[in-house]
Amino acid sequence: GAGVSQTPSNKVTEKGKYVELRCDPISGHTALYWYRQSLGQGPEFLIYFQGTGAADDSGLPNDRFFAVRPEGSVSTLKIQRTERGDSAVYLCASSLVGTGANVLTFGAGSRLTVL
Amino acid sequence: AQTVTQSQPEMSVQEAETVTLSCTYDTSESDYYLFWYKQPPSRQMILVIRQEAYKQQNATENRFSVNFQKAAKSFSLKISDSQLGDAAMYFCAYLTGANNLFFGTGTRLTVIP
Repeated sequence: GAGVSQTPSNKVTEKGKYVELRCDPISGHTALYWYRQSLGQGPEFLIYFQGTGAADDSGLPNDRFFAVRPEGSVSTLKIQRTERGDSAVYLCASSLVGTGANVLTFGAGSRLTVL
Repeated sequence: AQTVTQSQPEMSVQEAETVTLSCTYDTSESDYYLFWYKQPPSRQMILVIRQEAYKQQNATENRFSVNFQKAAKSFSLKISDSQLGDAAMYFCAYLTGANNLFFGTGTRLTVIP
């Protein structure tokens, strides 16, 4: 696609529920990143995929968070047993690694609210 | 570990004037990239300007320019002839050799008409 697409744009859920957030990167981009941005803060790195594999998942806060990218394109961020502290905007970005400066293109984010 | 520090939570500038946003970073790498991103209320992160660490020349992009001081690990953004549309959160970011991008905490820029 022309840009990075994230769905849903907004998600409201109850504490303890399971949530999936989807990211559709720019076609052909090999790298995909997930960030979490709390109100008034900078984006916090969660996980980075190169192709289908997670090149760096050191930012995932705990084992309730998991992300997949099974075919090297679309990625899903999965959050189990959601907590109120998970409320944030989840940003996805993609890039074409190997062409010099790795410029990330961001989606508009998915705002998650956990009640 | 890389850290990016933006010491100005908020800045304001009069329309048509010039403003400089500060950023410092900490790294042990010799080759890396630095970026400034703009985030308006729409949440979309927009690339403003980038700088390759191996280049001594400061990057410029129309009204936006940087002052890159590698030895001091400083990377400030200068916005000239400020416009109302420049109002946004501005984030400084560091790209590691492993292609991972880390952000500072941001500076909220207000443009006063």
